[in-house]
Order: sequence, then C-alpha cells, then structure tokens
Amino acid sequence: TQLLEQSPQFLSIQEGENLTVYCNSSSVFSSLQWYRQEPGEGPVLLVTVVTGGEVKKLKRLTFQFGDARKDSSLHITAAQTGDTGLYLCAARGADDYKLSFGAGTTVTVRA
Amino acid sequence: NAGVTQTPKFQVLKTGQSMTLQCAQDMNHNSMYWYRQDPGMGLRLIYYSASEGTTDKGEVPNGYNVSRLNKREFSLRLESAAPSQTSVYFCASRGYNSPLHFGNGTRLTVT
Repeated sequence: TQLLEQSPQFLSIQEGENLTVYCNSSSVFSSLQWYRQEPGEGPVLLVTVVTGGEVKKLKRLTFQFGDARKDSSLHITAAQTGDTGLYLCAARGADDYKLSFGAGTTVTVRA
Repeated sequence: NAGVTQTPKFQVLKTGQSMTLQCAQDMNHNSMYWYRQDPGMGLRLIYYSASEGTTDKGEVPNGYNVSRLNKREFSLRLESAAPSQTSVYFCASRGYNSPLHFGNGTRLTVT
C-alpha cells in the first residue's frame, strides 16, 4: 500500500506549457519533500515544505503544501526540456528515520 | 566531492547466486539507507541504519541482509538471488536535519 499517491503517472507536454503534479495521502505529515530524478542518477532534493498552506518557489517551480498537511502539488511554469525527469514526493511517517516515497510522475517536455 | 558512491554500477546474477552491493559516503552522515526502485512502484525502503552500530528493517527486507561496517560504509547482501530481486538499488545517507543524498544506483538483473 502506497502511503503517498502521485498523479498523474505520466505527463508529456510541449516546451513552454505549464504542468502540475500532485501528491496525496490520507495521513498527516510534519513535512514533505520533492525530489527530481534524471535517468541513470539518484533522486536530488528540490524542496522541503513544512507548514500547512506553505508555498515555496524555486525559479519556475512552485510547491504548495496543503492546509491539512496531507497533500502537496508541484507546478512548473513555461516548462523547458531540462525539466524532463521523474518527480517524486516523499514524507516521514511515525519513524523519523524512514522516508517513504510516492511512485513518481514521469514528466517529458518536448522541444 | 564524491558524496555517496555505490559499486558495482551493473550486475547480472543467476538465480541462487549471492552478491554484496557496496556503499560509502564521505559526508560524515549518521544515517544510511538502501532502497530499491521498480517501475510504477517508486522507491521502497529495504533496510536502514540510523547510526553506526544499528540496523533496522524497512518495507521490503525479505531476501536481504545489511552490514553497517563503520560510519562511512553500509553494504547490502543478497544471499540467494531471485528474479524478483531484479531492480535498481539506491544507497542514500542523511545527516542531522538534512535531506537524503543518493548514490547513482546499481542496476541488478537476476536471470
């Protein structure tokens, strides 16, 4: 059973378009992280959100943590081919050492 | 900066063979982790070591053993490989109040 549900599983868009990916759960989290993974490499942290309702911006990427701290979204404005990759959300459960991941959203940005 | 180094990068085993995946980090991190990544499943935690001298099971520990050799090194052993263990294996480490830092993975095929 996946603690974190990500949607959609796949997303293919044209360069310059916007996109949003979602991460949902029935559990409440103290914090949630977003990672990006490129082929042949390990995931790399993009952002950590901590406060319910928090919005963080990283250049063209906007991350939002739901008010109830059960869900999060990642919005990319004017996507570029360099945004292509697997986007993973992750959160800790009761055990602070265990970080659980969603199944990921594979984003392909076409030139 | 090497970060997290995994060896080997690729491995092919026959069913029943054994092998050890090696992982070393040079960031003086206390916690180390082994994940496996399968299509559509995201990253699943196999084992982790919160600190030197301790190891604990994650979500999918069956068929694996681990050794925290010292603060730097955390190895994963498959005693009798099975085709279901075909996967990409990632080692990661984490310091206090820091995100996970991943290696670039070991791609394992069991025939």
